[in-house]
Amino acid sequence: GEDVEQSLFLSVREGDSSVINCTYTDSSSTYLYWYKQEPGAGLQLLTYIFSNMDMKQDQRLTVLLNKKDKHLSLRIADTQTGDSAIYFCAESMDSNYQLIWGAGTKLIIKP
Amino acid sequence: NAGVTQTPKFRILKIGQSMTLQCTQDMNHNYMYWYRQDPGMGLKLIYYSVGAGITDKGEVPNGYNVSRSTTEDFPLRLELAAPSQTSVYFCASSYSSFNTGELFFGEGSRLTVL
Repeated sequence: GEDVEQSLFLSVREGDSSVINCTYTDSSSTYLYWYKQEPGAGLQLLTYIFSNMDMKQDQRLTVLLNKKDKHLSLRIADTQTGDSAIYFCAESMDSNYQLIWGAGTKLIIKP
Repeated sequence: NAGVTQTPKFRILKIGQSMTLQCTQDMNHNYMYWYRQDPGMGLKLIYYSVGAGITDKGEVPNGYNVSRSTTEDFPLRLELAAPSQTSVYFCASSYSSFNTGELFFGEGSRLTVL
């Protein structure tokens, strides 16, 4: 069945780049999303990529999509303490009205 | 604009009790959703609604009920609470469907069933 997998934790130093990875199983995905959840808050959409794109850049965020390997990544340049959060990857398909969510990657920033 | 508002934020229930989680949005979104978030797991869809008067089951609907009498409100009812329903519950809304629409989330409701 459909599945989205992410590592549960990532630790980086302040000022370094963070790369959060996600793998998915359904090749019919149309959109892939990154949502951010700050402590005690709901999820917020960070960025998304359409399945016919390889890359999308938005200020400090770069999303890379490798459809052949079913691999999605989110790169955060110059990571700041305000980037501490849980990052969720999700995929949507045309075939049904569902978003399939990863378990989330907790980004920990070391000073 | 308050966005999506959920109440209560925290609740402890005894096994067998019932309760309603309230959700309201002021963005005039047609689509509304209830998710649960368990530790180490992705969000699971409980129920969703594509407009007032229309609801449908998601992936994990057992033990829950919903109603959608207005565009703004989408309450989630738990009947006969069980420990397996201990979770964080998120309500969300969107202007368009899952596939293309950004979801706006409430802050979550942490429910413990003892």
